[in-house]
Amino acid sequence: QSALTQPASVSESPGQSITISCTGTSSDVGGYNYVSWYQQHPGKAPKLMIYDVTNRPSGVSNRFSGSKSGNTASLTISGLQAEDEADYYCSSYTSSSTVVFGGGTKLTVL
Amino acid sequence: EVQLVESGGGLVKPGGSLRLSCVASGFTFSSYSMNWVRQAPGKGLEWVSSISSSGSYIYHADSVKGRFTISRDNAKNSLYLQMNSLRAEDTAVYYCARARGNLLRSAFDIWGQGTMVTVSS
Repeated sequence: QSALTQPASVSESPGQSITISCTGTSSDVGGYNYVSWYQQHPGKAPKLMIYDVTNRPSGVSNRFSGSKSGNTASLTISGLQAEDEADYYCSSYTSSSTVVFGGGTKLTVL
Repeated sequence: EVQLVESGGGLVKPGGSLRLSCVASGFTFSSYSMNWVRQAPGKGLEWVSSISSSGSYIYHADSVKGRFTISRDNAKNSLYLQMNSLRAEDTAVYYCARARGNLLRSAFDIWGQGTMVTVSS
């Protein structure tokens, strides 16, 4: 199972919005609504930000939103803040009864 | 407080074995599927293994199948990962993570702090 494809890095200014893509296949992202997004700060454990494509866990800012079109899922962060600077990973359930993660995207808030 | 605490990591020689443990607190452990996820130094996250709430269903990534075994003891609120025939490429931080719902289909909503495993001669 190949990793989902994410851009290695993205950057944007505070207050702006940014979208991180996560591309898979019809056997994972495109075939199921089981896409999740995680935020990871250096040296810390990942934190769940979005589950089941569009849902936010309690306590996660509504500046974070998720969507999906075909085989590509997206995480959008609006009103960027300095504390949003982190690595972001998508994941998906697969038809092989496994879980696959994306390679990760480093977000820099300029 | 909902918490997962891993232990058991360390330095091991190639071909050696190690058993990781994860103790849960603050929630009804026996009601949740559990998972192991690893992260090699400077690399991304990699799913390793998952186990259903009862322990009846188990899944492993191809990269560890036949070498690693996930298990749990609900009476002890504990999750385990037995790692045999370790290779240099197994060097990583190993995280224990709770699934918020159905096995494999659900996101991982609670994570431990991780335990480092280094495989080197």
